[in-house]
Amino acid sequence: GAVVSQHPSRVICKSGTSVKIECRSLDFQATTMFWYRQFPKQSLMLMATSNEGSKATYEQGVEKDKFLINHASLTLSTLTVTSAHPEDSSFYICSAARTSVGYEQYFGPGTRLTVT
Amino acid sequence: GENVEQHPSTLSVQEGDSAVIKCTYSDSASNYFPWYKQELGKGPQLIIDIRSNVGEKKDQRIAVTLNKTAKHFSLHITETQPEDSAVYFCAASRGAGNMLTFGGGTRLMVKP
Repeated sequence: GAVVSQHPSRVICKSGTSVKIECRSLDFQATTMFWYRQFPKQSLMLMATSNEGSKATYEQGVEKDKFLINHASLTLSTLTVTSAHPEDSSFYICSAARTSVGYEQYFGPGTRLTVT
Repeated sequence: GENVEQHPSTLSVQEGDSAVIKCTYSDSASNYFPWYKQELGKGPQLIIDIRSNVGEKKDQRIAVTLNKTAKHFSLHITETQPEDSAVYFCAASRGAGNMLTFGGGTRLMVKP
């Protein structure tokens, strides 16, 4: 149990376009989902916390109008990178918390975004 | 906010030896400390965790110890194998539904 999927696994887009990344908890309900960004050989940096049915909470320095997060159900959260630029190229990872059961967070496999 | 420091940043051991990775945290309200293993190009995988009400937890070749007074916790891997080679991250949080603050990561290399 506790499987989290992400789609797509890799995406290449042109500068100025928007990209949507989906995060799904496959076998449990996730009240809270988190979005992270990871640059090569670096740690994970939290971008935002997403709670089902409410607005996401963004970390300092993360533009909420650029990184749109929607958590419409207990198994799905989406991150949309709007008007992407080359500096947005990164590895985006989501995690889901089974808050009804315990403290654990389970991570998806990540999405490699390349903006050309 | 919470600050988690992790050492060493790289660790090379011979197959069969033990590996120890240490983390310190700053927020005394943190009460949940997971460890993740991340292989290249993949998402982090939870390998073991510990809550503040216990001092040690073991799962086969992996163990974690916690010293709340000193605000540090450690990951111990015994009888290392080449497949243990990966980047390991420690993290801390205030518990259920709260954000994780990650350490900087340790690249473990197990030489056959």
